[in-house]
Amino acid sequence: GENVEQHPSTLSVQEGDSAVIKCTYSDSASNYFPWYKQELGKRPQLIIDIRSNVGEKKDQRIAVTLNKTAKHFSLHITETQPEDSAVYFCAASKGSGGYQKVTFGTGTKLQVIP
Amino acid sequence: NAGVTQTPKFQVLKTGQSMTLQCAQDMNHNSMYWYRQDPGMGLRLIYYSASEGTTDKGEVPNGYNVSRLNKREFSLRLESAAPSQTSVYFCASSDPGQGSYEQYFGPGTRLTVT
Repeated sequence: GENVEQHPSTLSVQEGDSAVIKCTYSDSASNYFPWYKQELGKRPQLIIDIRSNVGEKKDQRIAVTLNKTAKHFSLHITETQPEDSAVYFCAASKGSGGYQKVTFGTGTKLQVIP
Repeated sequence: NAGVTQTPKFQVLKTGQSMTLQCAQDMNHNSMYWYRQDPGMGLRLIYYSASEGTTDKGEVPNGYNVSRLNKREFSLRLESAAPSQTSVYFCASSDPGQGSYEQYFGPGTRLTVT
């Protein structure tokens, strides 16, 4: 089955600096790569996603890059703010009969220091 | 729209007791999922239902059963709870058949088995 590895497990940055979280996946059939943000005690919520036919996607201060050849993808957060502090999960997904099987990474706890 | 709702929010069980976690969604999604979240292990899929009337095992199904009662509702049952099932349980839904792969999560159920 699919295996998703995520690094680092914890990340501390100064407010205003950039943060980068990296993930690798094993199944070349995976075609959808979402990133979820989970604040303490809350549910995971999608912040950005990318499909396998796209190399990069940006939404304001966050961006995701995908390298299909190397099977890795990354989340980039620029100009970090204290409200960016949360746990971030990457995931790799592939479709099967109208169902997307999703495998999550183990999460990165991001702390933005004011 | 309420999105995805789960009951109860918290539950404490003794070893050997049984209980059912309830999940409902009002987004007319075909696919529904049950995950468990443990510290340092991300979200792991227990069972999923690609569409009404179908259910399949995920990564960690042992000790659980599910019922897709109708298109809206997907329940998770623990027949004989064990301390290893202490976790936070999330229900999610999506509709990949409509071209949207995003999974929408419920607020979670925090279960403690003593």
